[in-house]
Amino acid sequence: DVKVTQSSRYLVKRTGEKVFLECVQDMDHENMFWYRQDPGLGLRLIYFSYDVKMKEKGDIPEGYSVSREKKERFSLILESASTNQTSMYLCASSTPATGVTSYEQYFGPGTRLTVT
Amino acid sequence: AQSVSQHNHHVILSEAASLELGCNYSYGGTVNLFWYVQYPGQHLQLLLKYFSGDPLVKGIKGFEAEFIKSKFSFNLRKPSVQWSDTAEYFCAVGAGGYQKVTFGTGTKLQVIP
Repeated sequence: DVKVTQSSRYLVKRTGEKVFLECVQDMDHENMFWYRQDPGLGLRLIYFSYDVKMKEKGDIPEGYSVSREKKERFSLILESASTNQTSMYLCASSTPATGVTSYEQYFGPGTRLTVT
Repeated sequence: AQSVSQHNHHVILSEAASLELGCNYSYGGTVNLFWYVQYPGQHLQLLLKYFSGDPLVKGIKGFEAEFIKSKFSFNLRKPSVQWSDTAEYFCAVGAGGYQKVTFGTGTKLQVIP
């Protein structure tokens, strides 16, 4: 069974704080993703990584950065938290697609971040 | 870049009613298509996927979806819903390099016993 774990289920931070969200997967997946989930907006991709130390911007990268020093771990960093970053943050991992397989994503339980 | 549109934001059905949730995407090339489900308080999980081959795909819990390429659609169906199907359903399309997946805005399904 694939397991994706996230460091916290709930987090409350103050405006201006630096926030670290950690994600770990145990299936040796190459790809890892960070999304935020907001009511009525679905999931929006913040950043993804297809290999250690590699990263690509998603659709809404502003105000965020990421780090992938080890294959199993992908961190999301809010450099200076703001109230509009209050959201549910989901981490996911997947294998790369090949010619005959698809690449469904496996999700963690999410971290509900509140910035006050 | 690809995009996904889910037509219904909130659907309320009685148990045993039939379900069809619409999903349309825009992308000119080859796509992978997914439906994910999020039950209350649980992880987002895969319901079914289309990669290639038979455009009618079957997933878990009696769900199925049909890929109609000419209509850029991938609608989700279930002949008879149960109270336990109450959840939020997300359509997603994967395309291009690095397997970037774009999600729709989701449909909340409420099944009334």
